[in-house]
Amino acid sequence: AQSVTQLDSQVPVFEEAPVELRCNYSSSVSVYLFWYVQYPNQGLQLLLKYLSGSTLVKGINGFEAEFNKSQTSFHLRKPSVHISDTAEYFCAVSEGGYNKLIFGAGTRLAVHP
Amino acid sequence: EAQVTQNPRYLITVTGKKLTVTCSQNMNHEYMSWYRQDPGLGLRQIYYSMNVEVTDKGDVPEGYKVSRKEKRNFPLILESPSPNQTSLYFCASLRGGELFFGEGSRLTVL
Repeated sequence: AQSVTQLDSQVPVFEEAPVELRCNYSSSVSVYLFWYVQYPNQGLQLLLKYLSGSTLVKGINGFEAEFNKSQTSFHLRKPSVHISDTAEYFCAVSEGGYNKLIFGAGTRLAVHP
Repeated sequence: EAQVTQNPRYLITVTGKKLTVTCSQNMNHEYMSWYRQDPGLGLRQIYYSMNVEVTDKGDVPEGYKVSRKEKRNFPLILESPSPNQTSLYFCASLRGGELFFGEGSRLTVL
């Protein structure tokens, strides 16, 4: 069965510093991979997705993620964070279909001035 | 504006009192789904629907019912709520690999 592990439950970082949020998944077949962001008191919105093709995926708000098949990872990165990036981030995986999207437990990113 | 609308946004109820959380989307999406969000557990799928009159269980369906009589609506029904159903609930619709989420319904069962 699929599972998604987000290795850090909380990541504190100073403004303008780089950040990496880690995500590993377990699956023996081809997968689709997603990162969603949840701002306080809001629903989730899609940051980026990997379906096929280039392993480096660029998303909104300056975020990018790299799919590494050999390490079954899909880490999210941003070179310089802003206060407004403070939110909870969820990694999700699906094995070739969208009806069974499995989410990780989430990583709370706290950007400090 | 394209959106998924859930009601109520907040609800406090008592054990055993039936309730319905409504969900409506205006994007003509065929696929809709319900999730619950609990601290440290991320989002877990309750039920999903591939189209009108087609529904299926997700990972945590116990204690919930759904129906899909119209494409735009996908209500979540708790026939006899229990305290372990206290959670934050999200409805979502899907198109092109992207889930569009409602703003959530925070339910407390006393």
